[in-house]
Amino acid sequence: QITLKESGPTLVKPTQTLTLTCTFSGFSLSNSGAGVGWIRQPPGKALEWLALIHWNDDKRYSPSLRSRLTITKDTSKNQVVLTMANIDPVDTATYYCAHKHCSGGSCYYDFDYWGQGTLVIVSS
Amino acid sequence: QTVVTQESSLTVSPGGTVTLTCASSTGAVTSAFYPAWFQQKPGQPPRPLIYSTDNKHSWTPARFSGSLLGGKAALTLSDVQPEDEAEYYCLLYCGGAQLMFGGGTKVTVL
Repeated sequence: QITLKESGPTLVKPTQTLTLTCTFSGFSLSNSGAGVGWIRQPPGKALEWLALIHWNDDKRYSPSLRSRLTITKDTSKNQVVLTMANIDPVDTATYYCAHKHCSGGSCYYDFDYWGQGTLVIVSS
Repeated sequence: QTVVTQESSLTVSPGGTVTLTCASSTGAVTSAFYPAWFQQKPGQPPRPLIYSTDNKHSWTPARFSGSLLGGKAALTLSDVQPEDEAEYYCLLYCGGAQLMFGGGTKVTVL
């Protein structure tokens, strides 16, 4: 059974760096094709894909946020960490991590298992 | 940067059928965009419904189906149930492992 859980601060001050951790179980990020992504959702607004890291350490970022994001993995701890620099009130959102969908020997560009999300509020 | 557009809201009667669409600013959506669809209810994370255009997850009810329609990705809800009232999001692969969500469609069952 695949599960993911996000953790991190609830309140962050503007200009600080946000660090979020995704702790997962039920799969290994050392398996070929595996990946974990981050997605966020401001209150009352749409989902926004942020970043994706693969088993081979290949990393992809949203073009609009690339300069501020860093995604890393710790395979031994079953964790993926997302950092976002120079945080701003518009970054207030629920942040989700999700498992990249792989089945039947193929992997797809979607997410089949999601964490419950963690709300991050950016305010001074 | 690619913009993905969905209807903002749709209303359907119980037992009826409704089709949601997902368009790309770069042109026609094809299977190479690997369209995926998610359902989200208030206070919950998104629930995956469809992947790679028309494939259902093991938990996806049979009344949900995905397709390509007129240059767009489409999600059709048949025999709509009250519990289908939710926000629906499409996700497109835009090349180079870049992903883009649509703005969401709020489906009201009335």
